[in-house]
Parts: sequence; C-alpha cells; structure tokens
Amino acid sequence: KAGVTQTPRYLIKTRGQQVTLSCSPISGHRSVSWYQQTPGQGLQFLFEYFSETQRNKGNFPGRFSGRQFSNSRSEMNVSTLELGDSALYLCASSPWGDSSYNEQFFGPGTRLTVL
Amino acid sequence: GENVEQHPSTLSVQEGDSAVIKCTYSDSASNYFPWYKQELGKRPQLIIDIRSNVGEKKDQRIAVTLNKTAKHFSLHITETQPEDSAVYFCAATIDNRDDKIIFGKGTRLHILP
Repeated sequence: KAGVTQTPRYLIKTRGQQVTLSCSPISGHRSVSWYQQTPGQGLQFLFEYFSETQRNKGNFPGRFSGRQFSNSRSEMNVSTLELGDSALYLCASSPWGDSSYNEQFFGPGTRLTVL
Repeated sequence: GENVEQHPSTLSVQEGDSAVIKCTYSDSASNYFPWYKQELGKRPQLIIDIRSNVGEKKDQRIAVTLNKTAKHFSLHITETQPEDSAVYFCAATIDNRDDKIIFGKGTRLHILP
C-alpha cells in the first residue's frame, strides 16, 4: 500500500496570511491526526478526524482548523499566520478498528515557514 | 490537562552500551503506550508498544517496561548501534479513550563511535 502523503512539502508564507495543508491517508485508514512538530516541543497534537468528524482536539487556538472528506483525505487550515506557527506539520493515519491498536502511520510532513 | 513527561531530552551513549529513556504519565486511565523513532529528516515510525495488562515487552534489542502503579514506562535499547541514533518519542492514550494519544517531547539519542 502507498504510504501517507502530504502536500505541499514546503511552504513559505507571511504573517497574517492563511494556509491549507493536505493529507492523503493510507488506503482503508479512516482516522487522520495532525501534529505540530517544533524543536524542543516534540509532537503536539492538533486534532483527529474519523469518518469526516472531528473526534479529538488538542489545545491549539481556533486559528487552526481541519476537515476530512468522504474519501478520508484531510486538510488543515491555519488562518492569520503568526511567526510562531513555523513548524513541521505531520499528519498520521490509523487503521483504527483492527489489531494495530491505533498505530499512527506518519506522512513526510509539510515544513511551514512564516516570515 | 493530561501530560506525558519524557527524560532525558538528550542522551549520548557509547556504541555497544545500553540506553534507557523514561516517561511518566498523569492519566491513570492510560492503557496503551507506544514508542516512535524519528531518524533525521524522516517521519516518526512505531518501534514498539505495550498495553497496560503487560509489564514488559521485548523485540530483539529493544524492550519496554511499564509500571502502572508509579505511572511510568521506559524504553531500553541494548548493544546500541550507530543506526539507533534518532529522536525517540514516547506516547500514551488519555481521557480513557483508545483514540486519543499524546506524545512526550522526545529524546535525542546519540550513539558515539
């Protein structure tokens, strides 16, 4: 099976702009989670979608939002970008429901730089 | 809120020696504890996990131990090799949910020649 893919891989934006990141999960995976990775802060959970519904949410401001489509592909949107939003954004899909017990399969990430 | 603390943040060990990374969690309902390895420039990948009904699990040179009473779990790597150099993340399910996981901040492991 093809792995998790994310587009774009790199993005440069300026403060105040908005950005949309895309994630295509492994075929058959219904759960997609998003994480923000910054040096020293590890993997911070943003939100998780399952069957087009946001099932879990982390402690990020409302500027961060997402959605999931019927084919399980997911998008994440960040509005009114701030310098501190510069990070690697990882999405991960999970088979959920089989014996894998919620193993997260990560994509390569989108490196967002806010100038 | 619920939390996972990971220590140390950086660890250097001589090739061939053992490495131990420790995590503590705050949610007594946590029941699943995975470990992920992220090599430089690559995506995190699951290397081993343990469920709350098990105290220890081994897979070749890596092992994980869980102490539910103390709410801590550890990753042990024996006979370390250069390819073990990476950032390791521990994680735990929280809020009595199997679908919600939080990660520790990671440990950068350096294997010295």
